[in-house]
Amino acid sequence: GAGVSQSPSNKVTEKGKDVELRCDPISGHTALYWYRQSLGQGLEFLIYFQGNSAPDKSGLPSDRFSAERTGGSVSTLTIQRTQQEDSAVYLCASSLESSGRPGAKLFFGSGTQLSVL
Amino acid sequence: DAKTTQPTSMDCAEGRAANLPCNHSTISGNEYVYWYRQIHSQGPQYIIHGLKNNETNEMASLIITEDRKSSTLILPHATLRDTAVYYCIVRDYNFNKFYFGSGTKLNVKP
Repeated sequence: GAGVSQSPSNKVTEKGKDVELRCDPISGHTALYWYRQSLGQGLEFLIYFQGNSAPDKSGLPSDRFSAERTGGSVSTLTIQRTQQEDSAVYLCASSLESSGRPGAKLFFGSGTQLSVL
Repeated sequence: DAKTTQPTSMDCAEGRAANLPCNHSTISGNEYVYWYRQIHSQGPQYIIHGLKNNETNEMASLIITEDRKSSTLILPHATLRDTAVYYCIVRDYNFNKFYFGSGTKLNVKP
């Protein structure tokens, strides 16, 4: 597609339920990032995928959070046993440039607004 | 760890230049300075980046001090559509995490 696509755009769930958020990066982009943005706050790095390398999971806040990227393209962020503090906008971004190259530009999707009741 | 310090908010009159400062006193030789902006309810948008030379593109200019410990993003003729949160980021050449910090809320007023 023309840009990074995320689905759903909005998700309302009950505390304790599991949720899956999807990201379709720009075709051909090798790098994919997940960020979380709480209301009025900056972006919090969650996880980074680059090609076939092991993902950088250092930003995941707890073991309830996991992500995978199948076939080097689509990524799914899963949150198990959701809590109210998980409510936020979850943003996905992709980048064409390979690891370490300067000038990498991130292209962001519009995000998924997650509300945990 | 954002590594940058920005004012929380700034005002600018429409049509005037907006100068957004950023301090990155711990920047190292391999780290680039990037600027992104986020308009309400959208994902952040790339503006410009640089290493040590001043840079200009169709959106903005980036002025980096000689010691590289601070930089200024310049929007030459701000419009109401430039109202957004502007993020200054330093990124290591060898790593791929972009740390966004809290940014500067720029309010362009008529």
